[in-house]
Amino acid sequence: SQKIEQNSEALNIQEGKTATLTCNYTNYSPAYLQWYRQDPGRGPVFLLLIRENEKEKRKERLKVTFDTTLKQSLFHITASQPADSATYLCARVGHDYKLSFGAGTTVTVRA
Amino acid sequence: DAGITQSPRYKITETGRQVTLMCHQTWSHSYMFWYRQDLGHGLRLIYYSAAADITDKGEVPDGYVVSRSKTENFPLTLESATRSQTSVYFCASIPGGGTGELFFGEGSRLTVL
Repeated sequence: SQKIEQNSEALNIQEGKTATLTCNYTNYSPAYLQWYRQDPGRGPVFLLLIRENEKEKRKERLKVTFDTTLKQSLFHITASQPADSATYLCARVGHDYKLSFGAGTTVTVRA
Repeated sequence: DAGITQSPRYKITETGRQVTLMCHQTWSHSYMFWYRQDLGHGLRLIYYSAAADITDKGEVPDGYVVSRSKTENFPLTLESATRSQTSVYFCASIPGGGTGELFFGEGSRLTVL
């Protein structure tokens, strides 16, 4: 089965620093990897998508990389702010748009 | 308002009771999904539907039943609730033909006593 692993349950960082989250997958590379943000008591919200043939994608202070050799995606939040505190989920897109999610990494940004 | 709506948001029931969680979307998206979210497991797919009258099992379908008679509705029924089905349930949809960006509802928190 295709697995997605996010190897940090929690990440605490100082405001202004860069948070780096890791997502590892098994077996074949997915065509897409996606990242979502989830706030407590809310549904996940889509942030970014990166394709298999893309090395890097940016959106404002967010950056995602995709390394098919390492079978890994990194998600960076630069110049972090307390408002960035949330749980971030990595997901691979499979057949029929069935997404497999990692367990998530909870980021806490200290002022 | 356009979007995806789940009801009820909170439900407490007893073991053995039937429970139905409702999901309604206003976009006419083709694909709809039900996920459950539990600590340590993340989001796991229960059932999905590619269109009206087409449904299929996901990773954890046992104990659940779905139907999709209309494109906009995708109810999830627990026929005889068990304590292990205590969880937060999320409905989601995708228009189809894109890159799989999921639009989620706000979730239904179910407690089975």
